[in-house]
Amino acid sequence: GESVGLHLPTLSVQEGDNSIINCAYSNSASDYFIWYKQESGKGPQFIIDIRSNMDKRQGQRVTVLLNKTVKHLSLQIAATQPGDSAVYFCAENYDGNKLVFGAGTILRVKS
Amino acid sequence: NAGVTQTPKFQVLKTGQSMTLQCAQDMNHEYMSWYRQDPGMGLRLIHYSVGAGITDQGEVPNGYNVSRSTTEDFPLRLLSAAPSQTSVYFCASSHLRGGGEKLFFGSGTQLSVL
Repeated sequence: GESVGLHLPTLSVQEGDNSIINCAYSNSASDYFIWYKQESGKGPQFIIDIRSNMDKRQGQRVTVLLNKTVKHLSLQIAATQPGDSAVYFCAENYDGNKLVFGAGTILRVKS
Repeated sequence: NAGVTQTPKFQVLKTGQSMTLQCAQDMNHEYMSWYRQDPGMGLRLIHYSVGAGITDQGEVPNGYNVSRSTTEDFPLRLLSAAPSQTSVYFCASSHLRGGGEKLFFGSGTQLSVL
């Protein structure tokens, strides 16, 4: 999962395996959630989003699950590839368009 | 299709100097924002704007000013740079639809204040 501080949590997976990245969000009033991928030296790139009236949404090789009861969000990546190696951020929205970001999780894919 | 363009990519300042980080978007987005990213931390919102002539403070606004004279541009000004402002700065924009919308990010400006 994600945490605040200098040492980001790291998830190491074998190429071809599925990855699950977790995120605990802070505000029960949050109505929109989004996952970003950030590669070294680049800006965050949109992966997938979900609104609070849903509990699951699927994209291409990615699935986001939302559990509002425990304020938990997860990103599942199927058949993880070396190009998936990056830092992954979840973000929540509870006040207009102000997204609040978590600290991030490092995903390392081993070939 | 340029998206969100930030300049410069790198900048070194001395304490007390001033400078402006430029941000422009060509997607006709109403909403624009500035974030800073420090090692091991997520992005923190500095200032944001929901349209030309309208700006507001985010989570960490102290030491920064913004203005929004056009829909396309949203410059960030450091009036008197401090070492604590050493960071990577990202500009982001989106449509404004009242319920959250995905942000498009620029490639960032790496700023060092000595």
